[in-house]
Amino acid sequence: DTEVTQTPKHLVMGMTNKKSLKCEQHMGHRAMYWYKQKAKKPPELMFVYSYEKLSINESVPSRFSPECPNSSLLNLHLHALQPEDSALYLCASSQDPGQRNTEAFFGQGTRLTVV
Amino acid sequence: EDQVTQSPEALRLQEGESSSLNCSYTVSGLRGLFWYRQDPGKGPEFLFTLYSAGEEKEKERLKATLTKKESFLHITAPKPEDSATYLCAVRRGDYKLSFGAGTTVTVRA
Repeated sequence: DTEVTQTPKHLVMGMTNKKSLKCEQHMGHRAMYWYKQKAKKPPELMFVYSYEKLSINESVPSRFSPECPNSSLLNLHLHALQPEDSALYLCASSQDPGQRNTEAFFGQGTRLTVV
Repeated sequence: EDQVTQSPEALRLQEGESSSLNCSYTVSGLRGLFWYRQDPGKGPEFLFTLYSAGEEKEKERLKATLTKKESFLHITAPKPEDSATYLCAVRRGDYKLSFGAGTTVTVRA
């Protein structure tokens, strides 16, 4: 099973709302990622959790707040977003980079629209 | 800084017309080159991992190869369902994947 499950699939939120994106994997992967993808662009890394600890924050604005409650779950809390934050948000997971099989598996994404 | 360049940006093929996509990279300490397929509005789907020059991987009509400076994704006798954006990514020894801009392939029946 190489499935990464993201919910919701679509989300429309106002600039004053608070919402959360959720991601789940059961592959035993110990690295989990959040990516942002704008139309016709490649995915851009936002955050990496390794063994449930935040290891990389790519200078993401504080209106995005990641959380890793356990090794299978990853959340992205959203607050006071701007219309330019509208994008496809992708979750991914992989083995530890120290191992040979380091490919990342992606979820189907959450299409976020900020109005 | 890692650089990943894919060409062409777009490729229009007739069904059955074989072709190749290119991914050239500059990265120190390559720990893997990855190919993904992405359909519109969906997440990238993992296709192949290549680790060392000379390595080849195949899956149905797709074949990926790797040299010291570039990788090729060959599409043999494509069908309309092979239409997608194909993304190349490289990893060093850390968690970061550096993606190329992708090649959008359209296969006409």
